[in-house]
Amino acid sequence: AQKITQTQPGMFVQEKEAVTLDCTYDTSDQSYGLFWYKQPSSGEMIFLIYQGSYDEQNATEGRYSLNFQKARKSANLVISASQLGDSAMYFCAMREGWSGGGYNKLIFGAGTRLAVHP
Amino acid sequence: DGGITQSPKYLFRKEGQNVTLSCEQNLNHDAMYWYRQDPGQGLRLIYYSQIVNDFQKGDIAEGYSVSREKKESFPLTVTSAQKNPTAFYLCASKRDRHTGELFFGEGSRLTVL
Repeated sequence: AQKITQTQPGMFVQEKEAVTLDCTYDTSDQSYGLFWYKQPSSGEMIFLIYQGSYDEQNATEGRYSLNFQKARKSANLVISASQLGDSAMYFCAMREGWSGGGYNKLIFGAGTRLAVHP
Repeated sequence: DGGITQSPKYLFRKEGQNVTLSCEQNLNHDAMYWYRQDPGQGLRLIYYSQIVNDFQKGDIAEGYSVSREKKESFPLTVTSAQKNPTAFYLCASKRDRHTGELFFGEGSRLTVL
């Protein structure tokens, strides 16, 4: 069965430094997608970044980059130049199945709580 | 502005009562989803719907029911059969058909007393 594992319940980082949040996944599908979402204390889920299994380059979106290592089945999120507003829960998620298929869905990891210190 | 509206934001109910959580979207998205989140945990899928009048059970559908009579609306009923209904409920729609990216509402927090 597909599974997402986030082994870091909590992380601390100093403002302006970079931080890496770990995510490993397990799937037998050849086509899949990996996502990172941010959840501030208000509760809404904010999409950050996406990596497709066939994408050859690591995805980047502003200060966010996804370190995709397919052979190791890892999809770590790197946040550069951390800001106080980055303090939140971060969830790694995986799309099961081909995106063009009918009933694909996202499965989520347990999350990592990031605290950015001034 | 387009978005997903979940209501109510906070809800308190007595044990044994059915509760319906509303989810409305004006994004013209076909697929909609309901997730449950317990404190300190990730999201677990309850139900999802790809088109009107069709929906599928997720991983934790027991004690819940849904309907999809209109494209814009996907209400979730938490029935008295749900043994531990106190949780944060998130509704989402599929924003990107290519990647499968979901766009979320702001959530409804249900507390059963």
